[in-house]
Amino acid sequence: DQQVKQNSPSLSVQEGRISILNCDYTNSMFDYFLWYKKYPAEGPTFLISISSIKDKNEDGRFTVFLNKSAKHLSLHIVPSQPGDSAVYFCAASDGNFNKFYFGSGTKLNVKP
Amino acid sequence: NAGVTQTPKFQVLKTGQSMTLQCAQDMNHEYMSWYRQDPGMGLRLIHYSVGAGITDQGEVPNGYNVSRSTTEDFPLRLLSAAPSQTSVYFCATRLGNSYEQYFGPGTRLTVT
Repeated sequence: DQQVKQNSPSLSVQEGRISILNCDYTNSMFDYFLWYKKYPAEGPTFLISISSIKDKNEDGRFTVFLNKSAKHLSLHIVPSQPGDSAVYFCAASDGNFNKFYFGSGTKLNVKP
Repeated sequence: NAGVTQTPKFQVLKTGQSMTLQCAQDMNHEYMSWYRQDPGMGLRLIHYSVGAGITDQGEVPNGYNVSRSTTEDFPLRLLSAAPSQTSVYFCATRLGNSYEQYFGPGTRLTVT
């Protein structure tokens, strides 16, 4: 059973608007979370992370929110740009960083 | 700096054949890992290594062997390929004290 879930396989957003990508997890031992971005025919690239001691982390247009009680995190992209069109994976670890568990990904399409 | 390189990019095998997927890195990262990506499943960890001579199993290790004789290389061996091993394989590396992984471009493997 997957410990990290991304229930929306795809999301379409207009350029300039906000994109919100969601991720849920089941393992309460997870305490570090990352988002990766993947373009076709390339490997994933790291985007942003958050530790369980925080509930928000911001990096430019990207903000990740963590709700530990709900075991839920979200990635906000504001404003969305066509170059943001990619597959986004969330990943979680219990802190030793040797094993990360990935969600199934959400394909974001930002329309010009 | 080439980063993380993977060869081959594409491979077609018949059931029962063996092959080795190559992964090399020039960043002197201690940690290396192999993932497979399947539709609807995200990335799943196959094996990982925290340094030369040290390997361990991930979520889905069955049917795969690894060894780590140098810091730079981490080959993944399929001893007897099965159609269930049709997937895209990614190699990833990271520094020992960091959570961010650097992924290679992937190898698309088809087993008929």
